[in-house]
Amino acid sequence: DTEVTQTPKHLVMGMTNKKSLKCEQHMGHRAMYWYKQKAKKPPELMFVYSYEKLSINESVPSRFSPECPNSSLLNLHLHALQPEDSALYLCASSQGKALAGSTDTQYFGPGTRLTVL
Amino acid sequence: QQPVQSPQAVILREGEDAVINCSSSKALYSVHWYRQKHGEAPVFLMILLKGGEQKGHEKISASFNEKKQQSSLYLTASQLSYSGTYFCGTQPFKAAGNKLTFGGGTRVLVKP
Repeated sequence: DTEVTQTPKHLVMGMTNKKSLKCEQHMGHRAMYWYKQKAKKPPELMFVYSYEKLSINESVPSRFSPECPNSSLLNLHLHALQPEDSALYLCASSQGKALAGSTDTQYFGPGTRLTVL
Repeated sequence: QQPVQSPQAVILREGEDAVINCSSSKALYSVHWYRQKHGEAPVFLMILLKGGEQKGHEKISASFNEKKQQSSLYLTASQLSYSGTYFCGTQPFKAAGNKLTFGGGTRVLVKP
């Protein structure tokens, strides 16, 4: 089973709202990722959690706040977003081979399509 | 630095072949290929490791040319189901195994 689930599928929020995106995997993976994807563009890495610790933050604005409560679950808390933050937010997971000289296969969830008004 | 994919788009008739290239300015440890259909998650196709390995998935295969730091994806006898956007994700040497940088994508449309 290579399934990564994400909820909600769609989200519309105002610039003053606070909302959260949720991602879950039951493959025993120890690395989880958040990507942002604009229309007709490739996924852009935002955050990586490795063994439940934040290991990579690609200089993402603080209005995006990730959280990894356990190895199966990843949240992305959203606050005071801007209309340009509207995008497809993809979650991915992998076994967790983070060292240079190793490689890891990432499996993506279906994404949450976020619209900020 | 983002790898460069070419072509940006290709239109095929069912049964035709196509090649998609992914080039990097950095020495690569691995190249990962994904296909994304409209409104869906990117689906993993295969990994190419340094050493010029060839891999296959259905009638889709790929190669990795270390000298050129280029990977090529071959769509052979294309089927309607091959339509979608293909992304390569690259991992440079000395980079963490869990950090990929994706190319701009190649949109493939297979027509009956």
